[in-house]
Amino acid sequence: GAGVSQTPSNKVTEKGKYVELRCDPISGHTALYWYRQSLGQGPEFLIYFQGTGAADDSGLPNDRFFAVRPEGSVSTLKIQRTERGDSAVYLCASSRPTGVGNTGELFFGEGSRLTVL
Amino acid sequence: DAKTTQPTSMDCAEGRAANLPCNHSTISGNEYVYWYRQIHSQGPQYIIHGLKNNETNEMASLIITEDRKSSTLILPHATLRDTAVYYCIVRGDYNTNAGKSTFGDGTTLTVKP
Repeated sequence: GAGVSQTPSNKVTEKGKYVELRCDPISGHTALYWYRQSLGQGPEFLIYFQGTGAADDSGLPNDRFFAVRPEGSVSTLKIQRTERGDSAVYLCASSRPTGVGNTGELFFGEGSRLTVL
Repeated sequence: DAKTTQPTSMDCAEGRAANLPCNHSTISGNEYVYWYRQIHSQGPQYIIHGLKNNETNEMASLIITEDRKSSTLILPHATLRDTAVYYCIVRGDYNTNAGKSTFGDGTTLTVKP
């Protein structure tokens, strides 16, 4: 597709359940980012991948959160034992490989809205 | 990444210029200023970025002070569709450090008829 695709767009789950959120970045983009956005706040950084490896996971709030990008393209954010406080919009972004003329622009998806009841 | 400070909200009349300020007094010499905006229920969208020179593109202009401690995003002729939250971010050179961008809470710009 032309843009970053995130699925599902909406997810309602019960406290304690396991959730997976998927991000399909723009083709050829080597960097992939996950952010979390609560109502009325700016996006909060979670984790950043360069290729298949997590280059910076300092924003993951605790060990219930995990993300993978096994083939350097699609990424999955996994949340175990969900809590009501995990309710938020989870945003994914990708960016072009580093190189001359690269603006460093992040291309964001529409987000996955997670509601934990 | 350096911290930024923006006003919580601003209003602008349709057709007038919207000037959105950002303070980044702890910016380092190799850090760029980026602006994004987020329209309700959408992901943030890149607007413009700069290092020390003023920049202009089809969306906006970016004015960075000589000491680089603050900047202003200018939307020359605001329309109702420019109503959004605007985020100012500073980050290192993407080509040497394609790391995280730290967003604050941004400025909510409301363009009024």
